[in-house]
Amino acid sequence: DTGVSQDPRHKITKRGQNVTFRCDPISEHNRLYWYRQTLGQGPEFLTYFQNEAQLEKSRLLSDRFSAERPKGSFSTLEIQRTEQGDSAMYLCASSFLGLAGIPGELFFGEGSRLTVL
Amino acid sequence: DQQVKQNSPSLSVQEGRISILNCDYTNSMFDYFLWYKKYPAEGPTFLISISSIKDKNEDGRFTVFLNKSAKHLSLHIVPSQPGDSAVYFCAASARTGGFKTIFGAGTRLFVKA
Repeated sequence: DTGVSQDPRHKITKRGQNVTFRCDPISEHNRLYWYRQTLGQGPEFLTYFQNEAQLEKSRLLSDRFSAERPKGSFSTLEIQRTEQGDSAMYLCASSFLGLAGIPGELFFGEGSRLTVL
Repeated sequence: DQQVKQNSPSLSVQEGRISILNCDYTNSMFDYFLWYKKYPAEGPTFLISISSIKDKNEDGRFTVFLNKSAKHLSLHIVPSQPGDSAVYFCAASARTGGFKTIFGAGTRLFVKA
C-alpha cells in the first residue's frame, strides 16, 4: 500500500456542473477525512467517517456537497452545481483510531485541485 | 470560529539557528496537538505530536512544547536546515469532538543557507 490516493488530481469545470472526487485511503485505516484548502489557509474540515459511518459534516458545508464511504473503504466527495467559490484543493486523509481511543496521525493524499470557471 | 490560530504567516531563519513556530488555541477540550509539514504540490505530512497530559515531546531536531494554562504550543527546530523550508500547520483534536482534527492557517518557514 503506497498511501492515500486521490483522483483526479486536477479538475477544471464550468460553473453549474457536478464534480466527483475519489479517495482511496490506507487499507487498514478506519477513519477517513475530507478537507478543503484555499491559498494561504490551512486545511478546513469538511466531513469525516469512521468505517462507513459519516460522523460529522461541517456546518459550513452547503447541501450541494455530499460524501459517501460505502463499505468503509474508498470515499467519494460530490459537489453539485459548482460555483466559482468552490475552487480549492480538496484533501483526503486517513488514520487509525484504536480501541484504546488514542488517535493516530492523519496521512494525506496529494489532493484534488478544482477550478470552477 | 478559528479554534487553532497561527498568527505568524511566515518566519525566516538562518541555517543552523533555532526556528520557533507558535500556535494558540481556544478550545480547552483539545487532547492532542500535532504539527504537520507541507511542501508545495504535496499533502501535509505528520511531524510530531503531544498529548495534553505532557508539556514537552522531543524527536530528533524537533521539540514541541505545550503550555495548557496559556493555551499555547510551540515547535522548536534545532538546528534549522534549508530542507526544513516548508509550511508548518498546527493541529488539534478532542476526544469529546470525536478526535476530529482542526488545523491552523499555517506558518511558512524559510531557512536561509
